[in-house]
Amino acid sequence: DTAVSQTPKYLVTQMGNDKSIKCEQNLGHDTMYWYKQDSKKFLKIMFSYNNKELIINETVPNRFSPKSPDKAHLNLHINSLELGDSAVYFCASSFKSVNEQFFGPGTRLTVL
Amino acid sequence: GENVEQHPSTLSVQEGDSAVIKCTYSDSASNYFPWYKQELGKRPQLIIDIRSNVGEKKDQRIAVTLNKTAKHFSLHITETQPEDSAVYFCAADTGGFKTIFGAGTRLFVKA
Repeated sequence: DTAVSQTPKYLVTQMGNDKSIKCEQNLGHDTMYWYKQDSKKFLKIMFSYNNKELIINETVPNRFSPKSPDKAHLNLHINSLELGDSAVYFCASSFKSVNEQFFGPGTRLTVL
Repeated sequence: GENVEQHPSTLSVQEGDSAVIKCTYSDSASNYFPWYKQELGKRPQLIIDIRSNVGEKKDQRIAVTLNKTAKHFSLHITETQPEDSAVYFCAADTGGFKTIFGAGTRLFVKA
């Protein structure tokens, strides 16, 4: 019954590796987002998708590549991981814009 | 682009007292203002929101006010309880699929 789910919950990896985070929502929403929350808890939007189309790409390095195979899924692939990528990544979904966003449980990424 | 400033960054109150968190936004096109609560180690969850055609909204112990002219909006929590302790985020949205969050306020409610 989980509304927005993410896998994995924790990710520990070495610098230079490539990793992916998956997100799925079963709320029937048409909009999905990726946020990065750093150690100071600042929540910053990275990407937003509406009906599988990329709408917002918020000056994120092109090492980050989101993919939305359908409206219920939004995955995030990260190439050549750097120390500064360590953070908690949240997926979220909503019905269109200007509506409540439902967040996933987060993925804590640690780059060593 | 839109910028949202949030104050204070930390707030400590005695149980039963009121707590007020204030935010300002820069983009006059913003028309949706949600507030999210994030408990330690958990995901952010919406607690209340307000749209630009409304000046005030209340839900039990929580209220939000909006002053469009001054581009200010505030969260008011009355009769605070220890379980209100969390990080609270304000946000502003222009409808362009881009929600800008404030930096967060860490609220401590002392029993």
